[in-house]
Amino acid sequence: KNEVEQSPQNLTAQEGEFITINCSYSVGISALHWLQQHPGGGIVSLFMLSSGKKKHGRLIATINIQEKHSSLHITASHPRDSAVYICAVSVSNFGNEKLTFGTGTRLTIIP
Amino acid sequence: DTGVSQDPRHKITKRGQNVTFRCDPISEHNRLYWYRQTLGQGPEFLTYFQNEAQLEKSRLLSDRFSAERPKGSFSTLEIQRTEQGDSAMYLCASSSFSFKGTALAKNIQYFGAGTRLSVL
Repeated sequence: KNEVEQSPQNLTAQEGEFITINCSYSVGISALHWLQQHPGGGIVSLFMLSSGKKKHGRLIATINIQEKHSSLHITASHPRDSAVYICAVSVSNFGNEKLTFGTGTRLTIIP
Repeated sequence: DTGVSQDPRHKITKRGQNVTFRCDPISEHNRLYWYRQTLGQGPEFLTYFQNEAQLEKSRLLSDRFSAERPKGSFSTLEIQRTEQGDSAMYLCASSSFSFKGTALAKNIQYFGAGTRLSVL
């Protein structure tokens, strides 16, 4: 079993729909990250959180530490949101904040 | 500052050849990480540096792989005697790490666009 599990693996939705991507992890963490990866490879950090909820524009990330679960929501989805969304956790190990990644959720928003 | 840059963006090589990738982190960042991402998978940790010191290497990093960060600025990742299984996206990330402040503040990693390696 992977330390970080994401669902769904693929998601196709119509423009304007509310999107939810889920992430579950099995280890104690110092922080959880949501990342966006567009075709071509570059990764952009969207959120880093260790508790509660963060919002940036149409994106909202929540985390429940007790349940080891996080969700990424996109409101009023748009075709430009089409990308792979990756959940990653950092487990502080003697100061090494290396990330352990989920396999990603491929999101396609249809106009 | 233009962020983390990686060079080249794409590399096609024949099996058995050596390849070297370069990563230029954000200038004031003392931490530099290398990750590898195969098709359809999330990235996997390979190694990381704090300044010029290589502090941890994953078991994924076989003897054919070597990474350096000689002056604590840019880093190189070399793969010797490439194999088809080495085909992947190699990602570099940097961060500013300090034992002061909160764990959250010191944990933001900024990624480069990656180097895509294809071994024929």
